[in-house]
Amino acid sequence: DGGITQSPKYLFRKEGQNVTLSCEQNLNHDAMYWYRQDPGQGLRLIYYSQIVNDFQKGDIAEGYSVSREKKESFPLTVTSAQKNPTAFYLCASSIEFRVPGNTIYFGEGSWLTVV
Amino acid sequence: SQQGEEDPQALSIQEGENATMNCSYKTSINNLQWYRQNSGRGLVHLILIRSNEREKHSGRLRVTLDTSKKSSSLLITASRAADTASYFCATDGFSGGYNKLIFGAGTRLAVHP
Repeated sequence: DGGITQSPKYLFRKEGQNVTLSCEQNLNHDAMYWYRQDPGQGLRLIYYSQIVNDFQKGDIAEGYSVSREKKESFPLTVTSAQKNPTAFYLCASSIEFRVPGNTIYFGEGSWLTVV
Repeated sequence: SQQGEEDPQALSIQEGENATMNCSYKTSINNLQWYRQNSGRGLVHLILIRSNEREKHSGRLRVTLDTSKKSSSLLITASRAADTASYFCATDGFSGGYNKLIFGAGTRLAVHP
């Protein structure tokens, strides 16, 4: 089935560690996104990528890094510079980047907790 | 800053009743979309309404858009327990050269059997 797969579902990070969240899509979408969701809050955009080997900072990129070496993969690294990383992370994709009204398809999310 | 703001923050109703959620936004938009999120899951697209449309239906969902008031409403008719979820509006508009979707904080709907 086509879709977006995020892993792991639950991840625990120790202070000072970097961790990487995986996101894979088989929808053949050009655009991919990472959002952060805090309890009772909406989604905030961390990074987005409109095409392979390209990515741009979103609204809250500090303390995060991404790569887009393959069309289907857009991993997110939460670095030790992110001081408050505990949140629910959602990966998403859409067919094209610059088209208004694109439906965004979401993965099932990953919970990251600092221990 | 968030573009869309949903109201109410939480809504509790009985099965069979209608549920109405509202979304207000601040700047001009191209489209407004509604998404649903079950607890601890990803978001699922429900419906999109374009800025030149006033009303749209999809099954038990009815969405209205009033661009003069910069507001939208989502009506779920004859609600079911399975409709229990958070509902988010998302507005889009070109910003910084790309089509940016901005999500509100959502309305948490609880439908009791």
